[in-house]
Amino acid sequence: QVLLVESGGGVVQPERSLRLSCAASGFTFSSYSLHWVRQAPGRGLEWVAVVSFDGINKYYAASVKGRFTISRDNSKNTLFLQMNSLRTEDTAVYYCARDPDSTFGGDLDYWGQGTLVTVSS
Amino acid sequence: DVVMTQSPLSLPVTLGQPASISCRSSQSLVHGDGNTYLNWFQQRPGQSPRRLIYKVSNRDSGVPDRFSGSGSGTDFTLKISRVEAEDVGVYYCMQGTHWPPWTFGQGTKVEIK
Repeated sequence: QVLLVESGGGVVQPERSLRLSCAASGFTFSSYSLHWVRQAPGRGLEWVAVVSFDGINKYYAASVKGRFTISRDNSKNTLFLQMNSLRTEDTAVYYCARDPDSTFGGDLDYWGQGTLVTVSS
Repeated sequence: DVVMTQSPLSLPVTLGQPASISCRSSQSLVHGDGNTYLNWFQQRPGQSPRRLIYKVSNRDSGVPDRFSGSGSGTDFTLKISRVEAEDVGVYYCMQGTHWPPWTFGQGTKVEIK
């Protein structure tokens, strides 16, 4: 079955960095685009970033552009989110999600369980 | 950016009664390829989001048939024909037609009266 497992969250000070991972199994990883979506405590869902199946095309939310980098390793079935210059407002649960649509339709059909990032001094 | 507006934001429902959530977009969600990329997600307390409906009205495998999606253009609806206790949670619409960014509605909290 399709499984997405995020890791790498934790408590970090403002302006520091953190790298999240999302390990995938149960499907042909290299055929799917993947998104990061986050949810601040008690708040709604916010889209963060997406990477195409081949790792070439990447898009970011304005709130993280220039600070976060999405990447993937298709040989290891793993998605990454490098987060630099973290701010308190980046505190959230970060989910990875699969996009089955070839046109980035956002039909996010599988989600991981999430990993909590807390930015605090 | 496309703004997604859900209403109501809170929906108390009696068990066995119907429920309806509205989602309106700030521009038409009809894509140039003819598809309308409007999805509905359910997030039960303490859980990850789960897709219920994709491309307006396609119900996911395993989703009870009491859930249905409809709409077109800028106006969409998620209906629950008879609410059950397991339906408690927050429901989000999301558009994937005009990107970036992909945008979610604020969420509608469904609770039992």
